[in-house]
Amino acid sequence: QKEVEQDPGPLSVPEGAIVSLNCTYSNSAFQYFMWYRQYSRKGPELLMYTYSSGNKEDGRFTAQVDKSSKYISLFIRDSQPSDSATYLCAMKNNAGKSTFGDGTTLTVKP
Amino acid sequence: DAMVIQNPRYQVTQFGKPVTLSCSQTLNHNVMYWYQQKSSQAPKLLFHYYDKDFNNEADTPDNFQSRRPNTSFCFLDIRSPGLGDAAMYLCATSRDFGGVEPQHFGDGTRLSIL
Repeated sequence: QKEVEQDPGPLSVPEGAIVSLNCTYSNSAFQYFMWYRQYSRKGPELLMYTYSSGNKEDGRFTAQVDKSSKYISLFIRDSQPSDSATYLCAMKNNAGKSTFGDGTTLTVKP
Repeated sequence: DAMVIQNPRYQVTQFGKPVTLSCSQTLNHNVMYWYQQKSSQAPKLLFHYYDKDFNNEADTPDNFQSRRPNTSFCFLDIRSPGLGDAAMYLCATSRDFGGVEPQHFGDGTRLSIL
């Protein structure tokens, strides 16, 4: 079983929809939680990172972490066609190594 | 503005012919990483450097080697590429290895094997 499981997708939504992207994890040692966005033929770009349970908001993006359930989510409000990309969750333990999910590909249709 | 630059963006090599991929950074970060990413899969860490200290992942094949001649540059050498090594290779940097320090990725080199 993988340490990080990400909802596989693909996900297709109309413009303006609220998008929910989710990951679960099994390793209690993970302390830091990140979301990356990866456009086609590009490297991952850091969107959000947090190290505590609760919500963190940045514009249209909200990252949610529930350490007790070992569950993290990324919400995108008012989704735009430019949000179409693959979203990767990533988690890091105190030793520093990051473990990534396999990604969820999102398409936002105009 | 590009902070982590990978060259070339696309590389084609023949089965068994050595190939070198390069990465440079303008962030002056201590840590540089190499990842392998296959289609629809998570990036897989191959190794990382903390300054000059090399750290190999246990499951990284011996076929993969790396060099970091200075802070700014890091190279990935594949000594005898096989068909299974066709992938996107991503270089990343971070200021430190532990804690909340995020990684900054380049745009990758897509390697094809003929």
